[in-house]
Amino acid sequence: QVQLVESGGGVVQPGGSLRLSCAASGFTFSSYGMHWVRQAPGKGLEWVAFIRYDGSNKYYADSVKGRFTISRDNSKNTLYLQMNSLRAEDTAVYYCAKDMSGSGGSCPDYWGQGTLVTVSS
Amino acid sequence: SSELTQDPAVSVALGQTVRITCQGDSLRSYYASWYQQKPGQAPVLVIYGKNNRPSGIPDRFSGSSSGNTASLTITGAQAEDEADYYCNSRDSSGNRDWVFGGGTKLTVL
Repeated sequence: QVQLVESGGGVVQPGGSLRLSCAASGFTFSSYGMHWVRQAPGKGLEWVAFIRYDGSNKYYADSVKGRFTISRDNSKNTLYLQMNSLRAEDTAVYYCAKDMSGSGGSCPDYWGQGTLVTVSS
Repeated sequence: SSELTQDPAVSVALGQTVRITCQGDSLRSYYASWYQQKPGQAPVLVIYGKNNRPSGIPDRFSGSSSGNTASLTITGAQAEDEADYYCNSRDSSGNRDWVFGGGTKLTVL
């Protein structure tokens, strides 16, 4: 069965950095695009970033463009999100999610349980 | 980027039918997908594409679309359907992005 396990969340000061990881299993990781989606406390879902199955294309929400970098290591079945210049408004639960396709023409289907990032001094 | 608009809250009597709607220009070009999220849990995909249900999703969930509006219909709502529901689609504004609606809180009375 598909399993996605996020890690790396925690408390960080404004302006700081954090790297999230998402360990994938139960499917051929190298064949599917992957997303990061976040949810601020008590708020709705916000799409953050997408990476194609082979890492050749990456897309970002305007709110994180230039600060966050999505990447993947298909040899380790792991997705990453490097977050720099963090702001209070980046505080959220961060979910990784598998796309239904490799190139991103579809939608997220399976989701991890999320990891909480808190940006606070 | 595009926006998707949902009613913040909808209620339905147990066993009745409810429609949750999502409006946005991107829906003229792309199908919506729908997610159910219960408190403290990750979202679960319930409808994708024209009207497709992932394995394990009850057939009381269905989807439809017309113009700039997508709808999720629950026929014979159950107590366990009480949750937040989010629509999602690609962004048609030229960015290669995805966008979520603000979510609808469904209460089953």
